[in-house]
Amino acid sequence: QQPVQSPQAVILREGEDAVINCSSSKALYSVHWYRQKHGEAPIFLMILLKGGEQKGHDKISASFNEKKQQSSLYLTASQLSYSGTYFCGTANDYKLSFGAGTTVTVRA
Amino acid sequence: DAGVIQSPRHEVTEMGQEVTLRCKPISGHNSLFWYRQTMMRGLELLIYFNNNVPIDDSGMPEDRFSAKMPNASFSTLKIQPSEPRDSAVYFCASMLGNEQYFGPGTRLTVT
Repeated sequence: QQPVQSPQAVILREGEDAVINCSSSKALYSVHWYRQKHGEAPIFLMILLKGGEQKGHDKISASFNEKKQQSSLYLTASQLSYSGTYFCGTANDYKLSFGAGTTVTVRA
Repeated sequence: DAGVIQSPRHEVTEMGQEVTLRCKPISGHNSLFWYRQTMMRGLELLIYFNNNVPIDDSGMPEDRFSAKMPNASFSTLKIQPSEPRDSAVYFCASMLGNEQYFGPGTRLTVT
């Protein structure tokens, strides 16, 4: 079943922060985050495997709350290069179900 | 490493024609996925191969769609006959461990 992402879109100025949420009606075992720029392939950002796990890559980090069946992606001090559509994927064994995506636009 | 390679990058065809999309996964990756992306339906998994064997084809929309993986370095997705509603971007992805690496995609337009 497809996870639900919110918000659908967010517009930021450079340096601002944003949070993208991903929730599922089913138990989550892992959450994958991808970013896709227009006309390009999705690029893997990170995977969270355990409840409570947090990870970070540059100033993009994520948390995973197993009990609440949700994950959040944090964009801190956003840069122009952070623009794109962010997808969360919830995994059932090998099968990833992707959310509808959150479009992030970072403006100078 | 060149990453996942897909061909063609763009395909325009007329309704009723056969379309074959090709994918070369990253060497050493034992899992391969075909996805379809549209504005309306987002990213959908069509079929999953593990060690060249189709494991899950429940996402294949109809009998018009078929996929093969004759060896570890090549896979095809065929649509026959094609219909306008098949227009989409088709991605191939290979996986090692938990990370999926997507190819650049094939943008298919069926007129």
